[in-house]
Amino acid sequence: GAVVSQHPSRVICKSGTSVKIECRSLDFQATTMFWYRQFPKKSLMLMATSNEGSKATYEQGVEKDKFLINHASLTLSTLTVTSAHPEDSSFYICSAGREGETQYFGPGTRLLVL
Amino acid sequence: LAKTTQPISMDSYEGQEVNITCSHNNIATNDYITWYQQFPSQGPRFIIQGYKTKVTNEVASLFIPADRKSSTLSLPRVSLSDTAVYYCLVGDNYGGSQGNLIFGKGTKLSVKP
Repeated sequence: GAVVSQHPSRVICKSGTSVKIECRSLDFQATTMFWYRQFPKKSLMLMATSNEGSKATYEQGVEKDKFLINHASLTLSTLTVTSAHPEDSSFYICSAGREGETQYFGPGTRLLVL
Repeated sequence: LAKTTQPISMDSYEGQEVNITCSHNNIATNDYITWYQQFPSQGPRFIIQGYKTKVTNEVASLFIPADRKSSTLSLPRVSLSDTAVYYCLVGDNYGGSQGNLIFGKGTKLSVKP
């Protein structure tokens, strides 16, 4: 199957700072990438859909000014959590797929905001 | 809302075959059925995908009846390392219905020695 990577795997930051998470499709070009958030013992929640070269589509209740998504190329999407607060601490997972094919997930990024 | 319903949890013993059933009564004509496995603090891992009848790969089989309103993931001879949460998703791979992007609660499988 296709390989999707995320960096960093875990990050600790102070409240009020911004954190950038990268998602890369390593062996294929992804027309669409997705960002999810998962709280402990809960299921994945879709945050946004990003298409290369266009603005991301955010799910209801997700603040687009707080969670900035950039999909600059067919192999890279970034999620920036701006002015992070402790309630933003979570497990962030990206996925990538080509149209007509299933999506493949990255290993996830654990964010802890102190 | 998720388009699928699964048992919250299942228990099994090593060496047994495990069957996890997923209900998707409102599956659309263009929807595929996809199963993922997730270990704690890891991203979901693709297991298998099917549209109808039976699909088999090196790790699992997927049984889909003619009406496609349910599906069963079959894991042969499970081991302790198969302890994980299993998610069933339905949706078209073109993302139009986004059904394949909405996760339900999943089934937590616990394999005991």
